[in-house]
Amino acid sequence: DQQVKQNSPSLSVQEGRISILNCDYTNSMFDYFLWYKKYPAEGPTFLISISSIKDKNEDGRFTVFLNKSAKHLSLHIVPSQPGDSAVYFCAASAVQGAQKLVFGQGTRLTINP
Amino acid sequence: ETGVTQSPTHLIKTRGQQVTLRCSSQSGHNTVSWYQQALGQGPQFIFQYYREEENGRGNFPPRFSGLQFPNYSSELNVNALELDDSALYLCASSFSGTATDTQYFGPGTRLTVL
Repeated sequence: DQQVKQNSPSLSVQEGRISILNCDYTNSMFDYFLWYKKYPAEGPTFLISISSIKDKNEDGRFTVFLNKSAKHLSLHIVPSQPGDSAVYFCAASAVQGAQKLVFGQGTRLTINP
Repeated sequence: ETGVTQSPTHLIKTRGQQVTLRCSSQSGHNTVSWYQQALGQGPQFIFQYYREEENGRGNFPPRFSGLQFPNYSSELNVNALELDDSALYLCASSFSGTATDTQYFGPGTRLTVL
């Protein structure tokens, strides 16, 4: 039972353009959402998060959008840079209870020069 | 300030053996979580320890067990290894263990079961 899904295994974007990564979830109890970035041979690195009381959160070049009715979130990276090439994981958790993150399968983003 | 460290980096075991993986939390963090990441998948939550007590568990059998020590470092023990246990095991620490607290991950231990 995949509660968090990233349907695109890979995405290729030209440097300077916008990268949009998508994520869907099924569990209505999730109320906190995060994006992590992972380079080879490193652990996932926290990128940005959003609470269910918001529909948008920005941090520099990164913006996360949350559509609760559609159970969908997306990560926008503008402008995309070569250093953004990595695997991106969407994760969700419920604020109540243990700090348990449920991850999607990941999307490999490649930024082409 | 040192980040989360894990040892060993790589490990090869045979089916039926037992393994212990180690994690040192980031300075000042009292919560540690363990995740299993199979090839091509996202990390899956195994369990969490807060101040030396298990604070939540994912859908893993009892042969996956853990410990957290007074200095908040942690161990993950897996008994009776199976081929499907081959994966990257990630440890993450956080300051307080609340859901909105950022988890910082170590680089992982790659376990291969033959």
